[in-house]
Amino acid sequence: EDQVTQSPEALRLQEGESSSLNCSYTVSGLRGLFWYRQDPGKGPEFLFTLYSAGEEKEKERLKATLTKKESFLHITAPKPEDSATYLCAVQAGGDTGRRALTFGSGTRLQVQP
Amino acid sequence: NAGVTQTPKFRVLKTGQSMTLLCAQDMNHEYMYWYRQDPGMGLRLIHYSVGEGTTAKGEVPDGYNVSRLKKQNFLLGLESAAPSQTSVYFCASSPLTGANYEQYFGPGTRLTVT
Repeated sequence: EDQVTQSPEALRLQEGESSSLNCSYTVSGLRGLFWYRQDPGKGPEFLFTLYSAGEEKEKERLKATLTKKESFLHITAPKPEDSATYLCAVQAGGDTGRRALTFGSGTRLQVQP
Repeated sequence: NAGVTQTPKFRVLKTGQSMTLLCAQDMNHEYMYWYRQDPGMGLRLIHYSVGEGTTAKGEVPDGYNVSRLKKQNFLLGLESAAPSQTSVYFCASSPLTGANYEQYFGPGTRLTVT
């Protein structure tokens, strides 16, 4: 059974204080690992897809990395507008029919000015 | 280009009542999904569709039915609502082809069953 665990559950940072969010996963053959951002009362917004260990992707202050067992979302010099819940999800390589995502429960990030 | 839209945004039902949630996408995506999101849990797949006229069960399908009569629409029905179905429901869509299989989500429907 595919499983995704995110830590910490919640994180409070001061503006400019860099940190990392963790996503540990077990999946039967990884097809892709996805990061989403979710603002309160809204749907998840796609950020990144990572496909293989060693891959990295960046977008503004966010950088996602991937190993064989976990992914990190690094936030450099965050701003208050980065406050959101960040969701991690995996897609199994053998699941070509459904292409379903298995989600973690998310990390709630609060960045204080 | 509106992306994925959902109606209604909010709904309160009494136990035993029925309702239908509508999802529409204008990206010509083949795949469509219905998820529910509960506090402290990840999004869980209810039902999905790989194309017009096809539907299949996800992880938590009990108590729900779906239909995909048109490619752009995916309906989620609750025949007899129960308090355990109080949740936020999200629809998502994904293209058939291409290297990236990311899913694009709608804004959600918050459902309360009393």
